[in-house]
Amino acid sequence: RKEVEQDPGPFNVPEGATVAFNCTYSNSASQSFFWYRQDCRKEPKLLMSVYSSGNEDGRFTAQLNRASQYISLLIRDSKLSDSATYLCVVNLQQGGKLIFGQGTELSVKP
Amino acid sequence: NAGVTQTPKFQVLKTGQSMTLQCAQDMNHNSMYWYRQDPGMGLRLIYYSASEGTTDKGEVPNGYNVSRLNKREFSLRLESAAPSQTSVYFCATRGMAAYEQFFGPGTRLTVL
Repeated sequence: RKEVEQDPGPFNVPEGATVAFNCTYSNSASQSFFWYRQDCRKEPKLLMSVYSSGNEDGRFTAQLNRASQYISLLIRDSKLSDSATYLCVVNLQQGGKLIFGQGTELSVKP
Repeated sequence: NAGVTQTPKFQVLKTGQSMTLQCAQDMNHNSMYWYRQDPGMGLRLIYYSASEGTTDKGEVPNGYNVSRLNKREFSLRLESAAPSQTSVYFCATRGMAAYEQFFGPGTRLTVL
């Protein structure tokens, strides 16, 4: 079983749609959680951290369920510029290595 | 302030050839990482360096060696390239008190 698993893509949605990505992780000792964004043929960049209480950044909302070992990312009012691959990332311990999911591709169409 | 730079951007090798991928950062970060990214596999850690003078194996170290030349530079060497090493290679850095990793633009390597 992969340590971090994500929904298979691609997700093709119209502009203005709401889309949700899911991610599960296998190690219950995982301490920190993140969503990274990767544009086509570019490097990954941090989109947002994921906190236990859930957190929001504009149109993006991240949720964490430690009991189910489940992370989600919700994007509201999708824009063309949201088209990218979204990577679910887990950190086992402070200062430790990051474990990346394989990514979910999002394509927002006009 | 260039952040994280990688050279070369593209490279084509023949099986058995050797090469070194270079990574440099001007962020004064202690930790540096080398990843490879393959379709459907996500980013996999090859080697990392928690600080100058130390290196450790990651998930997929076979066929690679690394050198942490100084705080700024972390190189990845392929001694005898194989087609299975065709991939996109990313270097990343992380500061002491932060979780976020900052990535370089990547090196696209093809081994024929």
